[in-house]
Amino acid sequence: AQTVTQSQPEMSVQEAETVTLSCTYDTSESDYYLFWYKQPPSRQMILVIRQEAYKQQNATENRFSVNFQKAAKSFSLKISDSQLGDAAMYFCAYRAAGNNRKLIWGLGTSLAVNP
Amino acid sequence: EAGVAQSPRYKIIEKRQSVAFWCNPISGHATLYWYQQILGQGPKLLIQFQNNGVVDDSQLPKDRFSAERLKGVDSTLKIQPAKLEDSAVYLCASSSRQGGKFSGEKLFFGSGTQLSVL
Repeated sequence: AQTVTQSQPEMSVQEAETVTLSCTYDTSESDYYLFWYKQPPSRQMILVIRQEAYKQQNATENRFSVNFQKAAKSFSLKISDSQLGDAAMYFCAYRAAGNNRKLIWGLGTSLAVNP
Repeated sequence: EAGVAQSPRYKIIEKRQSVAFWCNPISGHATLYWYQQILGQGPKLLIQFQNNGVVDDSQLPKDRFSAERLKGVDSTLKIQPAKLEDSAVYLCASSSRQGGKFSGEKLFFGSGTQLSVL
């Protein structure tokens, strides 16, 4: 069965510094997608970044980038120049590319940003 | 564009009562999801609709939970009767996916309904 593991329940970072959130996953599929979602106190899940497994190049979105290591089944999120608004729960998620496949979620990492 | 609308934002009920949640997805989005998120956990898919048809309801406790999406637009999720363990945030999400193989399309989430069962 596919699983997603986030080993850091809580993290903190100083404003303007860089932080990396870890995520590992287990799958036997070769075609899949990986996601990082942010959930602030408003509860609305917001997609931060997405990675296609068949792409070797790591995805980037402004201050957010990933380190995708397919062989190691690792998908970490790096937040550069952290801002107070980055404080939230961050969820790593996996979804296979086939029909009727579910998003598999990690338990989340709570990120605090200290001024 | 308007986002995914959900109501109510909060609901407190006693066990064995019934409750209903409403979701209006982004206009034109064919796929609609209901998730249950228990405190400290990631979301769990309850049901997925493609237009007004059910694609996946394998994790929906059908003895107490029901959902419908009449006319393939907005949707309601009902719990009857509620149990203490139903206390959670219920998230609705939609995507523009029309069917077929998943190709990484983005899910848009509403702000959820926080349910407390006393």
